[in-house]
Amino acid sequence: SQQGEEDPQALSIQEGENATMNCSYKTSINNLQWYRQNSGRGLVHLILIRSNEREKHSGRLRVTLDTSKKSSSLLITASRAADTASYFCATDAGRGSTLGRLYFGRGTQLTVWP
Amino acid sequence: KAGVTQTPRYLIKTRGQQVTLSCSPISGHRSVSWYQQTPGQGLQFLFEYFSETQRNKGNFPGRFSGRQFSNSRSEMNVSTLELGDSALYLCASSLKGLAGDRWVGEQYFGPGTRLTVT
Repeated sequence: SQQGEEDPQALSIQEGENATMNCSYKTSINNLQWYRQNSGRGLVHLILIRSNEREKHSGRLRVTLDTSKKSSSLLITASRAADTASYFCATDAGRGSTLGRLYFGRGTQLTVWP
Repeated sequence: KAGVTQTPRYLIKTRGQQVTLSCSPISGHRSVSWYQQTPGQGLQFLFEYFSETQRNKGNFPGRFSGRQFSNSRSEMNVSTLELGDSALYLCASSLKGLAGDRWVGEQYFGPGTRLTVT
């Protein structure tokens, strides 16, 4: 199965601290995407990183990708209480795939305390 | 630009009934995918439509079906509802394109339809 796994399952930090979440997957990919989900709501797209990219930034977010280790990390700097949510990584089916299917892990539940 | 919209947002149905959920993608997006999210199974892929054709299907029984219209709007139908079908159903749209020899394109999700089967 291509399904990714996020680590840790849960993370609890204070406002202002940095939060790092990791994602591992099993087969080759074209892209890896990170999403945020607030309790019971839709997924909010955070960032897409292509397989030929190693690092990408968006505001307080920094994503790295290591295709040799089949892993990615999401760093949220200077966390705020509003960052409290579940974070998911999603991968596709790899080189040559024209399919839109994404494979999700179980997510990391981030809690940021004021 | 308006995001992905899903209707209805909440639905309560009885076992044995059928239900139709609707999804309107972001304007210009031709790919629509559906996912089911439950606490036990997490996010599971249902199917993907592109230009009115089903391009990929997940491992769900035939009671789950879908279609896409010429305006890219999509519907999914679940017949003979079971208690285990209670879930958040998420629709995602994508502007798929080729970058070199690889398909790329973010998938943007709607707010979901919360289905409760009693």
